[in-house]
Amino acid sequence: AQKVTQAQTEISVVEKEDVTLDCVYETRDTTYYLFWYKQPPSGELVFLIRRNSFDEQNEISGRYSWNFQKSTSSFNFTITASQVVDSAVYFCALRKRDNYGQNFVFGPGTRLSVLP
Amino acid sequence: KAGVTQTPRYLIKTRGQQVTLSCSPISGHRSVSWYQQTPGQGLQFLFEYFSETQRNKGNFPGRFSGRQFSNSRSEMNVSTLELGDSALYLCASSLQGRSGMLGDTQYFGPGTRLTVL
Repeated sequence: AQKVTQAQTEISVVEKEDVTLDCVYETRDTTYYLFWYKQPPSGELVFLIRRNSFDEQNEISGRYSWNFQKSTSSFNFTITASQVVDSAVYFCALRKRDNYGQNFVFGPGTRLSVLP
Repeated sequence: KAGVTQTPRYLIKTRGQQVTLSCSPISGHRSVSWYQQTPGQGLQFLFEYFSETQRNKGNFPGRFSGRQFSNSRSEMNVSTLELGDSALYLCASSLQGRSGMLGDTQYFGPGTRLTVL
């Protein structure tokens, strides 16, 4: 069965600190996609990044960076120089094909609080 | 381009009633998925529609149903509401949603917060 684990339930940092959100996934498939979403207090999930299982290149987008390591089944997310606006719940998700089609499996989320 | 819209944003019902939630996907998106989010269970997949057909279904009782119209707009219905149905219901749309498009990104709406008293 597929599963996504985000071991950090809540993280608090002070503004300008760097913070890494961990994501570990389980799947037997060789073809799958990994996603990160941000959910601010407004409730809407905001898409951040998508990565397929064949692309292990790390990615940087502004203050955000992602480290994908298949060997450890991890897809970690780092925010550099955090800001108060980064405060949100962050979800890691796995998408793979199953007997019924394809489906997202979300992790439980990590609540990040960035304090001024 | 307008994002995914959901109506209503907030809803209060009593046990035993039924409710219908509506979702309008991003223009051009043909696939719509529904999720239930609760503090205890997190984000759970309800079902997915593509071209007016339910293509995928999560592990929810038959009280939860949905449909998709020819313009890709979707509704979900919950009958005989229970207290445990109180949740944020999120709708997501994606461009193609064909079974081969694993990488199809889902874009989420703001959700409908349902409270069952």
